[in-house]
Amino acid sequence: GAVVSQHPSRVICKSGTSVKIECRSLDFQATTMFWYRQFPKQSLMLMATSNEGSKATYEQGVEKDKFLINHASLTLSTLTVTSAHPEDSSFYICSASSRVLYGYTFGSGTRLTVV
Amino acid sequence: RKEVEQDPGPFNVPEGATVAFNCTYSNSASQSFFWYRQDCRKEPKLLMSVYSSGNEDGRFTAQLNRASQYISLLIRDSKLSDSATYLCVVKGGGSNYKLTFGKGTLLTVNP
Repeated sequence: GAVVSQHPSRVICKSGTSVKIECRSLDFQATTMFWYRQFPKQSLMLMATSNEGSKATYEQGVEKDKFLINHASLTLSTLTVTSAHPEDSSFYICSASSRVLYGYTFGSGTRLTVV
Repeated sequence: RKEVEQDPGPFNVPEGATVAFNCTYSNSASQSFFWYRQDCRKEPKLLMSVYSSGNEDGRFTAQLNRASQYISLLIRDSKLSDSATYLCVVKGGGSNYKLTFGKGTLLTVNP
């Protein structure tokens, strides 16, 4: 079945540094990538939606200059958390959709801890 | 009103019990409905889609009532491996491909 590989699975970084998270669709072309964030005991909250070759559309309240999303190819999308702060510590997860596949395929998530 | 609202839980049930999860959604234009399960610190995985006529997959039965904007999931003969958080998920209508997740209901099945 469709697989999205997300890396890293876990990262600890210092406050003020940047972290890049990658999601690759391994056996299909991800025309749309969704990026979510999930705080403990909370639901997944959509941060942004990106279509290949286009600028990402951010949800209200999500800073586009802080969370940089790149979807330059049909198999790779990245989320960069810039100038990370402890409050950015969360579980980040991507989800890909395709014109030919039904449903959404999730990456395995990245647990970010900013110290 | 939250876009997708679920029973707060948690549910603790013995093996073999029947357990029901309820969910309501606020956007009447929503077109597609799903139940996902999420294990601790893992990504959500699709359990089943929910169709207007109701659908069953083994021990799992999903129901949708569009008039009441209500979705349910019934698990019969629960197993230890059913322990997880169950997420009610709604997809927007038309060209809106966004998924909106409920907060989830934690189920623990005890031996």
